[in-house]
Amino acid sequence: GGIITQTPKFLIGQEGQKLTLKCQQNFNHDTMYWYRQDSGKGLRLIYYSITENDLQKGDLSEGYDASREKKSSFSLTVTSAQKNEMAVFLCASTDRDSDYTFGSGTRLLVI
Amino acid sequence: GDSVTQKEGLVTLTEGLPVMLNCTYQTIYSNAFLFWYVHYLNESPRLLLKSSTDNKRTEHQGFHATLHKSSSSFHLQKSSAQLSDSALYYCALSDQNTGNYKYVFGAGTRLKVIA
Repeated sequence: GGIITQTPKFLIGQEGQKLTLKCQQNFNHDTMYWYRQDSGKGLRLIYYSITENDLQKGDLSEGYDASREKKSSFSLTVTSAQKNEMAVFLCASTDRDSDYTFGSGTRLLVI
Repeated sequence: GDSVTQKEGLVTLTEGLPVMLNCTYQTIYSNAFLFWYVHYLNESPRLLLKSSTDNKRTEHQGFHATLHKSSSSFHLQKSSAQLSDSALYYCALSDQNTGNYKYVFGAGTRLKVIA
């Protein structure tokens, strides 16, 4: 079986800082996603990528950049962290014949 | 565009009572897939149930759901809640006919089962 690994598990940043979250999968899935999870708002799509070097904006892309350096990895950058921001970022991957598989998340706190 | 509605943000139940979490959806595509994902604290969200077949009951781990295209609903049910069912539940929609595997998620329903 495969696995999706998100690093770091916890991230504490300062206001205005650029922060990078990483995601690696060994399913050989084509498509990868970054979601933000906020209480009462569900999972909101930030960016997704259907293949290496492809990037597609989701509904919440403002304030974020993403990079799909290779098929197995997909990174997300918070371009300027907002004070008191607290959220969980979930990475997922899928392909034509499979359902979404999620990572365990990165918990962000900005002080 | 597509949308998924989960009206209840929090459902609190006493152990042993039946569970019903509501999910309705909107889509223009006739061959939509509906999913329920469960997210336990400190774990990854994982697939609980899925269906694309109208009026067919789907079951897994004591939970069941039936896709009703006439009412655009895919409610999650269980006959008797257990303390271990406490988690966040997401309903999701995918229009796989379009070749777009992007899921649309509802806002989630937190189920809290108490003794």
